[in-house]
Amino acid sequence: AQTVTQSQPEMSVQEAETVTLSCTYDTSENNYYLFWYKQPPSRQMILVIRQEAYKQQNATENRFSVNFQKAAKSFSLKISDSQLGDTAMYFCAFWGGTSGSRLTFGEGTQLTVNP
Amino acid sequence: NAGVTQTPKFRVLKTGQSMTLLCAQDMNHEYMYWYRQDPGMGLRLIHYSVGEGTTAKGEVPDGYNVSRLKKQNFLLGLESAAPSQTSVYFCASSYEEGIHEQYFGPGTRLTVT
Repeated sequence: AQTVTQSQPEMSVQEAETVTLSCTYDTSENNYYLFWYKQPPSRQMILVIRQEAYKQQNATENRFSVNFQKAAKSFSLKISDSQLGDTAMYFCAFWGGTSGSRLTFGEGTQLTVNP
Repeated sequence: NAGVTQTPKFRVLKTGQSMTLLCAQDMNHEYMYWYRQDPGMGLRLIHYSVGEGTTAKGEVPDGYNVSRLKKQNFLLGLESAAPSQTSVYFCASSYEEGIHEQYFGPGTRLTVT
């Protein structure tokens, strides 16, 4: 069974600075996908970024980028130039071909961006 | 295009009461999912559906039933609510599984007293 671990329950960062959220996972599969979802106070889950395991290049979406280390089973999210609107709970999630239709989520990291 | 909608947004039940949560999507997605979110545990899959007329169990299916009579709707039922079912429930849909983005509804906060 797959597991996803986010070891930082809470983090804070000053506006305009850079912050990195950690995620590790455990799987025996070779082909899988990793995601970061954002959940602001409105509760709406929003996909931030996606990484295919077979791609060596790290995914990037504007101020959001990942550091994908397949051998270490690590998938961290870097937020550059943090904005107040980035304040949210961030979830790391894993999907593998043999896990059926189940996205496995980590416990979440509450990020607060301070002015 | 409303995306994924959920009804109701909030509900308080007494132990033993029943209720149905409605999820609707207007994106013509095949796959639909019900998750529950509890503090410190992320989201856990309750049931899912890979198409109209189909349902399957997820990680935590006990105490819940689902139906997918129409492609755009996915219903989650609690036949006899228990305090352990106090949670925030999210519905999601996707075109296909896994590699395709799951679009989430706004959630339903359910309290069972």
